[in-house]
Amino acid sequence: GQQVMQIPQYQHVQEGEDFTTYCNSSTTLSNIQWYKQRPGGHPVFLIQLVKSGEVKKQKRLTFQFGEAKKNSSLHITATQTTDVGTYFCAGGSYIPTFGRGTSLIVHP
Amino acid sequence: DAGVIQSPRHEVTEMGQEVTLRCKPISGHNSLFWYRQTMMRGLELLIYFNNNVPIDDSGMPEDRFSAKMPNASFSTLKIQPSEPRDSAVYFCASSLCTGFECEQYFGPGTRLTVT
Repeated sequence: GQQVMQIPQYQHVQEGEDFTTYCNSSTTLSNIQWYKQRPGGHPVFLIQLVKSGEVKKQKRLTFQFGEAKKNSSLHITATQTTDVGTYFCAGGSYIPTFGRGTSLIVHP
Repeated sequence: DAGVIQSPRHEVTEMGQEVTLRCKPISGHNSLFWYRQTMMRGLELLIYFNNNVPIDDSGMPEDRFSAKMPNASFSTLKIQPSEPRDSAVYFCASSLCTGFECEQYFGPGTRLTVT
């Protein structure tokens, strides 16, 4: 079955540093979704990318979908303590397959 | 809208007991998903309903697990008998899936502990 790999598993940063998480699939994805889960919380939808090479921004967050539609990335500029949480990508067709997530720890 | 509602929020039970988790999806959504989340295995899709019909239950671990969706506003996930390895957070999510758009709204989850 389809697998979505996400790296790194954990990332420690100092507040103000940038952060990037990567998502890779062995097969072409029709779309990619990104979710954020705060500690003790539930996943919350952030964004969906559909087009090859698509780039979308939400304030300090930049999402990219690869040209081959097999990879994606989420970049956060100048992290803040409110960015703490686990970021999941979910790719696929009708039923998204979730990656294992990247846990972001921001040190003040 | 109140979002996806799950109950109970916490459940502690003894091995061998029956456990029933409940979910009320967002009104108007046509798809419902049950997930299990653990540190070891991450977020696993257990079963997916579309228009109240189970479409894919390949993620259901074994026959001890069953799920129903008797109507568009209610679903249950039952574990009978429960085992300690079933301890996890169980999420229900709903979505209005159209074409390839399937943005999921998750409920707060039920934290299940089986002793």
